[in-house]
Amino acid sequence: AQSVTQLDSHVSVSEGTPVLLRCNYSSSYSPSLFWYVQHPNKGLQLLLKYTSAATLVKGINGFEAEFKKSETSFHLTKPSAHMSDAAEYFCVVSDLGGSQGNLIFGKGTKLSVKP
Amino acid sequence: EPEVTQTPSHQVTQMGQEVILRCVPISNHLYFYWYRQILGQKVEFLVSFYNNEISEKSEIFDDQFSVERPDGSNFTLKIRSTKLEDSAMYFCASRLLGGQHTPNTEAFFGQGTRLTVV
Repeated sequence: AQSVTQLDSHVSVSEGTPVLLRCNYSSSYSPSLFWYVQHPNKGLQLLLKYTSAATLVKGINGFEAEFKKSETSFHLTKPSAHMSDAAEYFCVVSDLGGSQGNLIFGKGTKLSVKP
Repeated sequence: EPEVTQTPSHQVTQMGQEVILRCVPISNHLYFYWYRQILGQKVEFLVSFYNNEISEKSEIFDDQFSVERPDGSNFTLKIRSTKLEDSAMYFCASRLLGGQHTPNTEAFFGQGTRLTVV
């Protein structure tokens, strides 16, 4: 069975400093991995996805993530945080074990950005 | 840009009442999903729907829940007799392609319906 572990429930950074949101997955197959963001009172928006092409994936708003098979990780990074990045971030794996490639969510990491 | 829309944004209902949550998926998508997020907890899969039938459901999706796509446009989730523990944010999602052989297409989510059972 697939699973996703987001190692930090809450990360706080200062504006202009780097962001690192950690995600580890377990998978018996080659996974598809996604990062979604949820701003307060908003829906889930796709930031980026890994689809077994390039291991370094660039997404929207300056975010990127690197797929490391040896570490079973897919950490999300951004060089310089903006106030508008404050939101909850979900690491998601596509469940190849299921019949419909259902998405399995991590518990989420709440990112706070201090001025 | 096409988007998934959900109505209502917030629904308050009394315990034991039936509720219907509505979703309009992206028009050319083929796979549809309901997820829920209880406050402070993770997003959980409820059910997936393809070709006018349920393709997979979780253990949360018991006999109190049902889904249908009555008119080829709307995708609804019905809870027959709501319980306090059904209070959550419910997300609808659609996907152009899905299934075991095309897992890497992203799902597009609606903004959610916050259901409060009192």
